[in-house]
Amino acid sequence: DAGVIQSPRHEVTEMGQEVTLRCKPISGHDYLFWYRQTMMRGLELLIYFNNNVPIDDSGMPEDRFSAKMPNASFSTLKIQPSEPRDSAVYFCASSLWGYYEQYFGPGTRLTVT
Amino acid sequence: QKEVEQDPGPLSVPEGAIVSLNCTYSNSAFQYFMWYRQYSRKGPELLMYTYSSGNKEDGRFTAQVDKSSKYISLFIRDSQPSDSATYLCAMSDLLFSGNTGKLIFGQGTTLQVKP
Repeated sequence: DAGVIQSPRHEVTEMGQEVTLRCKPISGHDYLFWYRQTMMRGLELLIYFNNNVPIDDSGMPEDRFSAKMPNASFSTLKIQPSEPRDSAVYFCASSLWGYYEQYFGPGTRLTVT
Repeated sequence: QKEVEQDPGPLSVPEGAIVSLNCTYSNSAFQYFMWYRQYSRKGPELLMYTYSSGNKEDGRFTAQVDKSSKYISLFIRDSQPSDSATYLCAMSDLLFSGNTGKLIFGQGTTLQVKP
């Protein structure tokens, strides 16, 4: 298996622009997690899905952030409009019910200028 | 106060040293404790997993959980330059049960092992 796939790996955009981050989980995994990592705040859970349904979005910082999972093999995290304080590394992870291990993707490094 | 506290370091040790990494937490409901290792510009990978209190050993790595003190540790014996990474503790109250079960991560401790 190729593992969790994220795209793009790097994104540089200007303040006010829309940003879409993409994730393909490991085939067969039924949980998908979106995290944000910064030096100041560490790794924060933004939202997670179970069987494509959002379960907990309490970590989503503002209405500017939205996430969807239209099918078992694809999820997006969108920021509209983006702001400089959104600059961070965004990770997607997936896991299988009954197993504690989360498998992380390589991350998307977002820079908003 | 954060639910999980972890000294971000950085921690620099000579090759062969014993390394001790620690986290404290405030939520007494946490039962599942993990250590993830993250190399530079990579995603975290699970290193060790412990349920409830006690010790677990895997090669050069030992994880300890003291629930009475709300304190967990990761020990690395005979540290190697390849151990240079950020180590994140993570914990959960109940995995995959309703709306709970999400992992709460510490901030991570950056470790450098010098040859």
